[in-house]
Amino acid sequence: AQSVTQLDSQVPVFEEAPVELRCNYSSSVSVYLFWYVQYPNQGLQLLLKYLSGSTLVKGINGFEAEFNKSQTSFHLRKPSVHISDTAEYFCAVRATNTGGFKTIFGAGTRLFVKA
Amino acid sequence: GAVVSQHPSRVICKSGTSVKIECRSLDFQATTMFWYRQFPKQSLMLMATSNEGSKATYEQGVEKDKFLINHASLTLSTLTVTSAHPEDSSFYICSAPLGGGNTGELFFGEGSRLTVL
Repeated sequence: AQSVTQLDSQVPVFEEAPVELRCNYSSSVSVYLFWYVQYPNQGLQLLLKYLSGSTLVKGINGFEAEFNKSQTSFHLRKPSVHISDTAEYFCAVRATNTGGFKTIFGAGTRLFVKA
Repeated sequence: GAVVSQHPSRVICKSGTSVKIECRSLDFQATTMFWYRQFPKQSLMLMATSNEGSKATYEQGVEKDKFLINHASLTLSTLTVTSAHPEDSSFYICSAPLGGGNTGELFFGEGSRLTVL
């Protein structure tokens, strides 16, 4: 079974500052890793994903994440945030060996960008 | 990108009535769709996997007679909350995968907010 821990429930940050949203996972099998963003009263949108290869993954809206297998982490970063980045961010894992799309989500981190 | 659409986006109903929520894949076919429930300021809880042409697979603790799922075509899955009660009030989100194996992307609907009075 897999589980995902997002270490911060809320992250307030000033506009143009850098931000890191932390994610750790546990799994007895290898996993694929994802970050999704959810704006109020909307569904989720994929920001980026790690399947294999380079451990540094770049996504949309200037976000990137680094897969660290030894620390079982997949932290999300952005060097300079905008007001429009205010949203809920979810880290998620999916086992590589199931052949299906069952995805486990973390509890979410609310990023609040202040002017 | 692929589009998944849910309808209605908001619904208010009286306790004891049934409510149907539709999830459509607009520009691709989806033999599998997923239904999630999201409580305020919490994560998504997978309720069930909807399979086209066969019975849905429910997660442990989810009442299949309470949450009826039908996947009658390759582009439509429906979730019916039967005999709704206030505790069923929640944000329901569907998703559909696109891509081979299990490496593809999940596309999410806009969500449906159910309020049971």
